[in-house]
Formats: sequence, C-alpha cells, structure tokens
Amino acid sequence: DAKTTQPNSMESNEEEPVHLPCNHSTISGTDYIHWYRQLPSQGPEYVIHGLTSNVNNRMASLAIAEDRKSSTLILHRATLRDAAVYYCILRDGGTYKYIFGTGTRLKVLA
Amino acid sequence: GAGVSQSPSNKVTEKGKDVELRCDPISGHTALYWYRQRLGQGLEFLIYFQGNSAPDKSGLPSDRFSAERTGESVSTLTIQRTQQEDSAVYLCASSLAGTGPTQPQHFGDGTRLSIL
Repeated sequence: DAKTTQPNSMESNEEEPVHLPCNHSTISGTDYIHWYRQLPSQGPEYVIHGLTSNVNNRMASLAIAEDRKSSTLILHRATLRDAAVYYCILRDGGTYKYIFGTGTRLKVLA
Repeated sequence: GAGVSQSPSNKVTEKGKDVELRCDPISGHTALYWYRQRLGQGLEFLIYFQGNSAPDKSGLPSDRFSAERTGESVSTLTIQRTQQEDSAVYLCASSLAGTGPTQPQHFGDGTRLSIL
C-alpha cells in the first residue's frame, strides 16, 4: 500500500487559511487522494478527494502537485470547529479499504 | 439523521468476557467495514462486508474476533475472551459500494471498549 507522510501537528489562527500538506512520493497512477478528518470523540468524516486536478467543495479545496507526489488540503477560513485530526489517504481504484496513518492534528487558536 | 449508528457507545467489561458490538449502516449501503483505533493512533482495518459476505477478513487480529452481517443491514463484531490489549474504539463505516475510488465511507462514532 502506498504511504503518505503528514506533519504531526499544525496550528492556525481563527479566520485564517490553513494549508495542510501531504507527501505521497510512491503514489501510483490509479491512486486517488482522499482526505478525512476526525473531530474529538467522533468517527472520521469525509472531506474531499481528487486524482489529478485541483478540487473544491463546500468544506475545503484540494491542490494536487503536477507530479502527484504531494497534495495540500486548504481550509479557506479556519474556525474553532475545524480543530481535528486530518488524514491524507491514498486509495487505489480497486481497493475498498483505507490505510490510515496518524494524520495531522490541527489546533485552531481563537 | 440517517447516519451510521453504533451501539453501545461505551462498554466496560472484565478480562475474559465476551462482547458484542453492533453497527447499523446507512440504508442502501451494500458495503460495511469495521476498523479499530487504539488511543492516539490511526485506524486499523479489520473486516469488509459486501452484502452479507465478507471477502476480506485479513485485518481480524486473532480467532477471538469474528463478525457477521445480516443481509445488507446490521453487523455485529464479537470479541471472545477479551484481553486488555483489545481496549480501543471500534469504528464501523458503510458506503454505497465497496470498490470504486470515489465512494466515500461514512463512519459511526464508534464503541469505546475498555477491558479491566
């Protein structure tokens, strides 16, 4: 299974943008990049996914490097409710399971 | 709402006892997954159901762990003769289909299992 590398923790001020990086240098051509987040005492929540092009949805944006060896989850205006552990996961088209790492713990400062 | 529901939310039991954890997936979701999350760690895959069959049980840590699913509905994860290392949060997820890279998994809030 292809691996991802994320910083253990990051901090952001409320109302400011947050860029959460993820390295996946061994990504294959059929791997999709998925992001989930896990709020305290809750199960993970789907955020966004992409393959090659940048993606936007109501929660976040996903910027994917041209060589696909890294990606960045962008929260445009962090709120206190965005404090969570963010997981970057690679998922092959034929695979049904996620391989979760330890993610990035995002702290949002008021 | 009609999300994934897990019960009980918390379970404390003595070492050596059997426990049953229940998962009610989102209606219409054919795929169901069980994961385990130890304190401060990421999720470990346990088992995957497509309908009521389990094509992948590779993540079950020992023969003390088993799971079943009734049709495309409720699933039960059973741990026999519990050990202290079984203490963790057990998470269930469901999705419309098992394969397909664009099918997100919807997670319940888990059962926190504590073995005394």
